[in-house]
Amino acid sequence: EVQLVESGGGLVQPGGSLRLSCAASGFTFSSYWMAWVRQAPGKGLEWVGNIKEDGSDKYYGDSVKGRLTISRDNAKNSLYLQMNSLRVEDTAVYYCVRDMGWHQFDYWGQGTLVTVSS
Amino acid sequence: QSALTQPASVSGSPGQSITISCTGTSSDVGSYNYVSWYQQHPGKAPKLMLYDVTNRPSGVSDRFSGSKSGNTASLTISGLQAEDEAVYYCCSYTSSSTLELFGGGTKLTVL
Repeated sequence: EVQLVESGGGLVQPGGSLRLSCAASGFTFSSYWMAWVRQAPGKGLEWVGNIKEDGSDKYYGDSVKGRLTISRDNAKNSLYLQMNSLRVEDTAVYYCVRDMGWHQFDYWGQGTLVTVSS
Repeated sequence: QSALTQPASVSGSPGQSITISCTGTSSDVGSYNYVSWYQQHPGKAPKLMLYDVTNRPSGVSDRFSGSKSGNTASLTISGLQAEDEAVYYCCSYTSSSTLELFGGGTKLTVL
């Protein structure tokens, strides 16, 4: 059974940093692109970015470029999201997702809430 | 780039069929067959319902079907059931710098 379990969310002040983690199991992690998708409270979905199977290519949505960085450790079956220079508008539930190809997401984690507030 | 355009809400009675539209541009929906649809119940993670415009993942009911014409993709749910009540999001790959667009979501109410 495919499982994606996020962790690391919490309350952080504007301008602060946070690192999210996603533990993957039930599939060959190193064979898939992975991505992060976020959802602000009461709002719709927003693609944050994705990373190639071997970590050699990464792409980001316009609103997070230069501030959020995706990485992965295939030996640990883990995906990460380093979040720097956080803004109030980054407040959202962050979902770890498996990219089945061309930005289509077949498995989602339960999400972790990040709140940016003073 | 703006999000894909979906109606804010649709409704139908049990047993009926409904269609949710998702309108983009020639840079996304109109040029690529990489349109997917997600169902989200309150407090839950989204679930993939359709991919590549028309394909259903294993386990998704055949009451869910998809189509595309020009810059508009559509999700049709036939034989509406109470459990179908949820928010539905469309999503498309785009050639713009943002690479990925979601629709704003459509709240389906089963009357």
